[in-house]
Amino acid sequence: DTEVTQTPKHLVMGMTNKKSLKCEQHMGHRAMYWYKQKAKKPPELMFVYSYEKLSINESVPSRFSPECPNSSLLNLHLHALQPEDSALYLCASSRTFVGDEKLFFGSGTQLSVL
Amino acid sequence: QKEVEQNSGPLSVPEGAIASLNCTYSDRGSQSFFWYRQYSGKSPELIMFIYSNGDKEDGRFIAQLNKASQYVSLLIRDSQPSDSATYLCAVTGGGSNYKLTFGKGTLLTVNP
Repeated sequence: DTEVTQTPKHLVMGMTNKKSLKCEQHMGHRAMYWYKQKAKKPPELMFVYSYEKLSINESVPSRFSPECPNSSLLNLHLHALQPEDSALYLCASSRTFVGDEKLFFGSGTQLSVL
Repeated sequence: QKEVEQNSGPLSVPEGAIASLNCTYSDRGSQSFFWYRQYSGKSPELIMFIYSNGDKEDGRFIAQLNKASQYVSLLIRDSQPSDSATYLCAVTGGGSNYKLTFGKGTLLTVNP
């Protein structure tokens, strides 16, 4: 199984809503990532978890709250988002977080904030 | 700020030709180099990685790395219309900086 599964595939939310994005992998990977990608731009790193601990937070606003319940699961909790947060949110995993590891991306959640 | 530069294109080649995609990076200590392919509306997919100077071949794809010139390239032989996509160069930092920095991507169009 070489898949990273993300749900939902599409999400529309208002600025006062609370929602969560979910990501799951069963490759035994110990590093998991959240990226944000705007149209015609490269992915931007948001968070990195290594062995279920938050290793990197790229100064992401607190309205985005990551959670790693176990080595297979990664969540991104969303609250009070702004329209400019509309983007494709990508989850990725790698065997470890040591720099030479290949990232496997999920299919993404296309988020629209109204 | 570590940078990865790519020509944004679009790069247009005829079917059967060799497509050449180029990338330069600013961090001289960078160790690992990746090429991702991204179809419109889809997520990035790893197609090549290279860690050492020289060439690495996988099917129709050839990755080339020159650390002295801080230059990495991707050649696609016998280009097919299905190769039409955005190609993202990605580089990890030097030392213990494991973060992956993506270039802005090059849009490749292969014309039948």
